[in-house]
Amino acid sequence: KAGVTQTPRYLIKTRGQQVTLSCSPISGHRSVSWYQQTPGQGLQFLFEYFSETQRNKGNFPGRFSGRQFSNSRSEMNVSTLELGDSALYLCASSGTGGNTEAFFGQGTRLTVV
Amino acid sequence: DAKTTQPTSMDCAEGRAANLPCNHSTISGNEYVYWYRQIHSQGPQYIIHGLKNNETNEMASLIITEDRKSSTLILPHATLRDTAVYYCIVRGLKTSYDKVIFGPGTSLSVIP
Repeated sequence: KAGVTQTPRYLIKTRGQQVTLSCSPISGHRSVSWYQQTPGQGLQFLFEYFSETQRNKGNFPGRFSGRQFSNSRSEMNVSTLELGDSALYLCASSGTGGNTEAFFGQGTRLTVV
Repeated sequence: DAKTTQPTSMDCAEGRAANLPCNHSTISGNEYVYWYRQIHSQGPQYIIHGLKNNETNEMASLIITEDRKSSTLILPHATLRDTAVYYCIVRGLKTSYDKVIFGPGTSLSVIP
């Protein structure tokens, strides 16, 4: 069974640009969550999608957005990039049911210069 | 607020058992204890979870105290590849991941 796939693995962008990150969950998983990880802040929850609907959103500005497609693949977009957006962006997928663990992808390392 | 507390760092000799403690004194009756680990710059990897009984899988064992206020993750024969940050989290059956707090974790160094 293939794991969670995130693309691209590494990305360098300039301040003011926008970026789109992609996440393909484990086959059959319908829930996808996104996290931002920085050295000082640890893992910070961004949002969670289930069946193409955003279920929860973390405390991030509106520049951060996401969506989920009918095949459960998800994308997140960050517009007007700032230097502080440099981070490892992680995606996790989980199955239905409450007692299910989340499986993380390898992440996308975004550097804003 | 963090729902779990873990030591910041630990060392373990290669081949010995690594015992990583976690305190979760405010855990609710329906909350499970999950353990993940993160090797540098990779995504967190699920290790094990449990409710109240001790659990074992091919990676580790999880010992949960009878009052469920603390637990210990045991890596029976630590190898250098077990060097990572280990996260202990609690999550209920219907808790969405926005409510799950990943604290700073324990940085485990396995020493040759």
